[in-house]
Amino acid sequence: NAGVMQNPRHLVRRRGQEARLRCSPMKGHSHVYWYRQLPEEGLKFMVYLQKENIIDESGMPKERFSAEFPKEGPSILRIQQVVRGDSAAYFCASSDTRQNHYGYTFGSGTRLTVV
Amino acid sequence: QQQVKQSPQSLIVQKGGISIINCAYENTAFDYFPWYQQFPGKGPALLIAIRPDVSEKKEGRFTISFNKSAKQFSLHIMDSQPGDSATYFCAASRGAGNMLTFGGGTRLMVKP
Repeated sequence: NAGVMQNPRHLVRRRGQEARLRCSPMKGHSHVYWYRQLPEEGLKFMVYLQKENIIDESGMPKERFSAEFPKEGPSILRIQQVVRGDSAAYFCASSDTRQNHYGYTFGSGTRLTVV
Repeated sequence: QQQVKQSPQSLIVQKGGISIINCAYENTAFDYFPWYQQFPGKGPALLIAIRPDVSEKKEGRFTISFNKSAKQFSLHIMDSQPGDSATYFCAASRGAGNMLTFGGGTRLMVKP
């Protein structure tokens, strides 16, 4: 049973380009969460999705950032027109039910570097 | 207030010693308090978690102590080992499965 799979592990983008980060939840998990970790800081919540629905996007920047979790395929975090301040590690977590926190498993993250 | 404050930022402990990391929260609506362990290049992994209806929870060498009136909770690692060297994060949420508010992290180094 593979864990939460994130790809790519490392992503380098020039300022102004788009970044697309993918997250495949654990088998049977229908809840996905995205967090961002700046260097030397804790993780900050971005968005919570279920299949085809955004449940809570209170942590998402209002512009340039979007997320989706389609019926088929991985969840995608999309950052348009990246800036240097977007450089961070982006972690995805999944769970099988909103009440089962022990199913809240993190992936290994995507480290985005904007040059 | 959603903030969770964690201390110390870094900690050096001798092998066999006790590592203690503290967290304080402000939002009294928080009712779930997990601790995560993160190794370099990896995602956070859940270590142990507690709810406010108990004051202490122990799993192996890891113990959470919880003080509801002071709005503080701490992680104790007994008989610390070099393999415990990692960054530890406390977190809090309103109900399991909701967004987690993380502390700033503690980088633990256990010297052989």
